[in-house]
Amino acid sequence: QKEVEQNSGPLSVPEGAIASLNCTYSDRGSQSFFWYRQYSGKSPELIMSIYSNGDKEDGRFTAQLNKASQYVSLLIRDSQPSDSATYLCAVNLGYSTLTFGKGTMLLVSP
Amino acid sequence: EAQVTQNPRYLITVTGKKLTVTCSQNMNHEYMSWYRQDPGLGLRQIYYSMNVEVTDKGDVPEGYKVSRKEKRNFPLILESPSPNQTSLYFCASSLSLANNEQFFGPGTRLTVL
Repeated sequence: QKEVEQNSGPLSVPEGAIASLNCTYSDRGSQSFFWYRQYSGKSPELIMSIYSNGDKEDGRFTAQLNKASQYVSLLIRDSQPSDSATYLCAVNLGYSTLTFGKGTMLLVSP
Repeated sequence: EAQVTQNPRYLITVTGKKLTVTCSQNMNHEYMSWYRQDPGLGLRQIYYSMNVEVTDKGDVPEGYKVSRKEKRNFPLILESPSPNQTSLYFCASSLSLANNEQFFGPGTRLTVL
């Protein structure tokens, strides 16, 4: 059974702080990893993808992947109130479909 | 503009009345998928399609049908809707299963009375 686990939160951080969102997955053969942001009542929006071990940076976002520990994280630097949303981790095992975690709610207070 | 569109966006219907939710993408994507999202259960895949005339069941296919006669369209059919199919539905597409960066449509909120 493929599983993707996330802490449901909410994770509360003050404006300007670093928000750290974590995700673990059960299938060691997983190849592709994605982070989506979803505002309440809206559709998920792809913000980061990562395929190899290490860090990948895009603006204020950094995705980190550790395949040995089956762990992927998303760091949001200089968090803004507009970052308040639910963040979904998704994992793609090779030629299989995406499995989504249930999401972590992030609240950034001014 | 590259996008995935869904219609209708909101629908209230009654038990047993057949309905279709349309999904269309203009990005020439091979892979398309339908999800439902329910509080506490997250996004669950209903059906997916890897290409024209190729469809397969996801995690929660019961009560749903799909077809993929054209690359751009992937309609979701509820032949006899029931109240437990009240949910928020999303269509998504990606270049392929190998390159599975999925782009989502705006969602369809369905209520079955």
